[in-house]
Amino acid sequence: SYELTQPPSVSVSPGQTARITCSGDALPKQYAYWYQQKPGQAPVLVIYKDSERPSGIPERFSGSSSGTTVTLTISGVQAEDEADYYCQSADSSGTLYVFGTGTKVTVL
Amino acid sequence: EVQLVQSGAEVKKPGESLKISCKGSGYSFTSYWIGWVRQMPGKGLEWMGIIYPGDSDTRYSPSFQGQVTISADKSISTAYLQWSSLKASDTAMYYCARKKSGYVYNWFDPWGQGTLVTVSS
Repeated sequence: SYELTQPPSVSVSPGQTARITCSGDALPKQYAYWYQQKPGQAPVLVIYKDSERPSGIPERFSGSSSGTTVTLTISGVQAEDEADYYCQSADSSGTLYVFGTGTKVTVL
Repeated sequence: EVQLVQSGAEVKKPGESLKISCKGSGYSFTSYWIGWVRQMPGKGLEWMGIIYPGDSDTRYSPSFQGQVTISADKSISTAYLQWSSLKASDTAMYYCARKKSGYVYNWFDPWGQGTLVTVSS
């Protein structure tokens, strides 16, 4: 079955930049999406179609894509950005969906 | 405001059946897909399956095919996730989420608040 691989954890100091990668074989053909999940809350979409930001999401969240890897970048990290982050995409057929393994972002 | 409101927490015994719900409001329920996502305690998100209430087209993750049934009643704008015989390993938070129809619209937004299912003898 199709898998998306993320690093388990990323630590960053306030004001610095956090980068979270997501790797998958079908990513050159399928867009990636990113979700933020804080403890006890439902996930929230923060990036769609690799690099688009939904309304209401701060500009410090950005996304990029290169080959089989997509990256979520949080610039000028704030304490409130501490959360789990998941990438999501579709398989090569575009009919089945998959989430990444998840990355816990810790703000030091 | 677009909202997905899920049914309340459930406590069941192994072998029992269960059907949880997800009610959409603030949009045309039959024009968007509804997906279901499992999150086991302390674990990540797992995509289970998806339904298009307009024509009941349903797709399942291979990991969940045959383990659950996804359905919808468009007359009351509600999607369902059901089990015929629960196991302790079904203990998890279950989320529903909306997906726009169309090949390039493969993201889920918004999400319901989640339904916690606990299966214990």
